[in-house]
Amino acid sequence: AQSVTQLDSQVPVFEEAPVELRCNYSSSVSVYLFWYVQYPNQGLQLLLKYLSGSTLVKGINGFEAEFNKSQTSFHLRKPSVHISDTAEYFCAVFSGGYNKLIFGAGTRLAVHP
Amino acid sequence: GAVVSQHPSRVICKSGTSVKIECRSLDFQATTMFWYRQFPKQSLMLMATSNEGSKATYEQGVEKDKFLINHASLTLSTLTVTSAHPEDSSFYICSVPNPRQSNTEAFFGQGTRLTVV
Repeated sequence: AQSVTQLDSQVPVFEEAPVELRCNYSSSVSVYLFWYVQYPNQGLQLLLKYLSGSTLVKGINGFEAEFNKSQTSFHLRKPSVHISDTAEYFCAVFSGGYNKLIFGAGTRLAVHP
Repeated sequence: GAVVSQHPSRVICKSGTSVKIECRSLDFQATTMFWYRQFPKQSLMLMATSNEGSKATYEQGVEKDKFLINHASLTLSTLTVTSAHPEDSSFYICSVPNPRQSNTEAFFGQGTRLTVV
């Protein structure tokens, strides 16, 4: 069975500091991996995705993530965060074998001035 | 612009009544749509897969008679919460797979905040 684990429920950070949001997955088949951002009372917006190819993926708003197959991880990073990055971030795995997205529990990123 | 339109964005209903939530794919036809439920400060839980022209596929533990799904056309899926109770209060989100990415990613609606009083 597939699963996604986001190791941190909350990550507080000061503005302009770097941040890493951790994500580990398990799956017995090849996977596609995603990071989504959710602002209060809104749907989800795709930040970036890994389907194949280069393991370092760049997304919108200055975010990037690295797919590490041996560690089954897909951590999200940003070198310098802004107040506007405060939101809930979800890691998700899509498996063609199951044809659906499985989400992690989410990480609340709180950026402080 | 938005690819998926979900309506209403917010609804308050009385206990025992039914509420219909619509999910429209604006940019392309969708034979499959997904319905998620999100409790406060929690992740999205897949409720069911809506299939155009056939019955929806429900996840384990989801009451199909409680959450009626109708995928009447290639651009519209509806979720009806029947005989709603306060414990049904939640944030409901639909998603549509992106056919231009071989359905490996999805677009999400803006969500519906349901409050049952």
